[in-house]
Amino acid sequence: AQKVTQAQTEISVVEKEDVTLDCVYETRDTTYYLFWYKQPPSGELVFLIRRNSFDEQNEISGRYSWNFQKSTSSFNFTITASQVVDSAVYFCALSSGDDKIIFGKGTRLHILP
Amino acid sequence: SQTIHQWPATLVQPVGSPLSLECTVEGTSNPNLYWYRQAAGRGLQLLFYSVGIGQISSEVPQNLSASRPQDRQFILSSKKLLLSDSGFYLCAWTSGTGGEKLFFGSGTQLSVL
Repeated sequence: AQKVTQAQTEISVVEKEDVTLDCVYETRDTTYYLFWYKQPPSGELVFLIRRNSFDEQNEISGRYSWNFQKSTSSFNFTITASQVVDSAVYFCALSSGDDKIIFGKGTRLHILP
Repeated sequence: SQTIHQWPATLVQPVGSPLSLECTVEGTSNPNLYWYRQAAGRGLQLLFYSVGIGQISSEVPQNLSASRPQDRQFILSSKKLLLSDSGFYLCAWTSGTGGEKLFFGSGTQLSVL
């Protein structure tokens, strides 16, 4: 069975602090894809990153970075020097062989000025 | 370019009434189509997905159903709505080539009273 767990329901940090959002996944497939999406207060879902199961390289995009570790089935997301505009709900998602795409329950991030 | 249309944006329905939400995709062929529900303060729950006309995979059967009468049309239905059906319904599509990101519609906010 496939599963995505985002154990952190809600996080609050002060602006300019670094924050890491955790994502743990379960799948029996050897080929799978992991995603992060952002949902700002306006409600639309914004794609942030996709990573396939064969590429464990960490990725950095500006203040955002992602740490993919197959050994611990984790795909964590770090925001460096957080800003108020980063306040949103962040979702981790898993896609595997049967085209099903499931999401975690999301982490609501509050960046306090 | 590809676009996804989902309507209506807002819907208020009494308990026991029927439901029909429609989603159409333009600018692509043979997409994978998805229906998700986001209850207040909760995560994105996969309801149904479809990899082709007439092919529906159900994750949460309950009192909801889905149909795909045409390649780029995906319909979510209910014969009798329950209070627990309230939520934000999102339609989404991918190219179907495997591991591609989801493109989301603007969503329907359903309130069952």
